[in-house]
Amino acid sequence: NAGVMQNPRHLVRRRGQEARLRCSPMKGHSHVYWYRQLPEEGLKFMVYLQKENIIDESGMPKERFSAEFPKEGPSILRIQQVVRGDSAAYFCASSPVPGRGEAFFGQGTRLTVV
Amino acid sequence: GQQLNQSPQSMFIQEGEDVSMNCTSSSIFNTWLWYKQDPGEGPVLLIALYKAGELTSNGRLTAQFGITRKDSFLNISASIPSDVGIYFCAGQLSGNTGKLIFGQGTTLQVKP
Repeated sequence: NAGVMQNPRHLVRRRGQEARLRCSPMKGHSHVYWYRQLPEEGLKFMVYLQKENIIDESGMPKERFSAEFPKEGPSILRIQQVVRGDSAAYFCASSPVPGRGEAFFGQGTRLTVV
Repeated sequence: GQQLNQSPQSMFIQEGEDVSMNCTSSSIFNTWLWYKQDPGEGPVLLIALYKAGELTSNGRLTAQFGITRKDSFLNISASIPSDVGIYFCAGQLSGNTGKLIFGQGTTLQVKP
């Protein structure tokens, strides 16, 4: 997972606040994926983005969650009005060629909502 | 939705023993991946499989892509303490955009 940079590593938010999670893909990768992992569970797909485009957001909750991958800068996963159930580890992965499925993960952001 | 059933859920073995874990699904996948996750870290790619029947090794790790395209296994030979962690299988569906479906993970503990 070297090269995919996520920050912050840990984020604490009070209920109702906004959380912003950032991801810089590996150099040369233009495909970014966000996954969520609850304790003791596997990763669950949330959204797939290319530069300036959302390609697949089938795993994103319908409300409060949004993602972007601007032409310049990192990809952002934004959670508005956080609730306790949003507490989880959020991982970003990048891929050079999406069709092959090979994806490299960052170290994750652990969100705790208090 | 699609699911991957990964087993066993956990294993506690003696150093030096071989380990085997597997994933099955009712869906056909065109790619199988095996990842290892250490506590507090992201998953690290161990082996990628792209063809049905493919058998691939990476050091002491060997993985196979099942002929039916619905299953895969991972073997670890001569386990060592640093093999401790959670192992996940992940599959990509045919024609997919690269979205991965993950198994529930196998927690491996190695007793020195």
